[in-house]
Amino acid sequence: GAGVSQSPRYKVAKRGQDVALRCDPISGHVSLFWYQQALGQGPEFLTYFQNEAQLDKSGLPSDRFFAERPEGSVSTLKIQRTQQEDSAVYLCASKVRDLAGELFFGEGSRLTVL
Amino acid sequence: GESVGLHLPTLSVQEGDNSIINCAYSNSASDYFIWYKQESGKGPQFIIDIRSNMDKRQGQRVTVLLNKTVKHLSLQIAATQPGDSAVYFCAENEGAAGNKLTFGGGTRVLVKP
Repeated sequence: GAGVSQSPRYKVAKRGQDVALRCDPISGHVSLFWYQQALGQGPEFLTYFQNEAQLDKSGLPSDRFFAERPEGSVSTLKIQRTQQEDSAVYLCASKVRDLAGELFFGEGSRLTVL
Repeated sequence: GESVGLHLPTLSVQEGDNSIINCAYSNSASDYFIWYKQESGKGPQFIIDIRSNMDKRQGQRVTVLLNKTVKHLSLQIAATQPGDSAVYFCAENEGAAGNKLTFGGGTRVLVKP
């Protein structure tokens, strides 16, 4: 596609459920990022991939959060045993390569944990 | 879609006037800065960037100013239009290759017709 695509756009989960959020980056983009954006705040870094390698996962808030990009294109962010504080918009972004440059964001997946 | 930034500082500006949005960044080692625009229900959209070896950069109707001495960044929008209504975030890079961006808290801009 022309841009970064994320699904689902909206997800409601009961506390304790597992969720999986998908990101399709722009074709050919090497670098892929996940950010978490709470209501009224700026995005916060979660994790970064270069191709299939997860080079930085320092922003993942707990071991309930797991991200993968097995073939270096599509990425999945998985949250296990969701809690109310996990409610946020999860943004995926990609860029051409591992250098400073324009980062293209998807529209995000809004997770609400009840 | 649901609004972004319900509790953000707000700048109200008359259509046609110039807007100035300010941002204080935290890391004196940051060497790359970006302004993003985020409309309700959408992801952040790149506006303009600047490297630390510059103090000013101009784009189409936008200018970014960088003052490294006081760690301050500003975005100037000329002749503000209704389509400029959004939340604006500054971001600084951490990491030599700009792999991790740290975003500021954001400012909501409301353009009055």
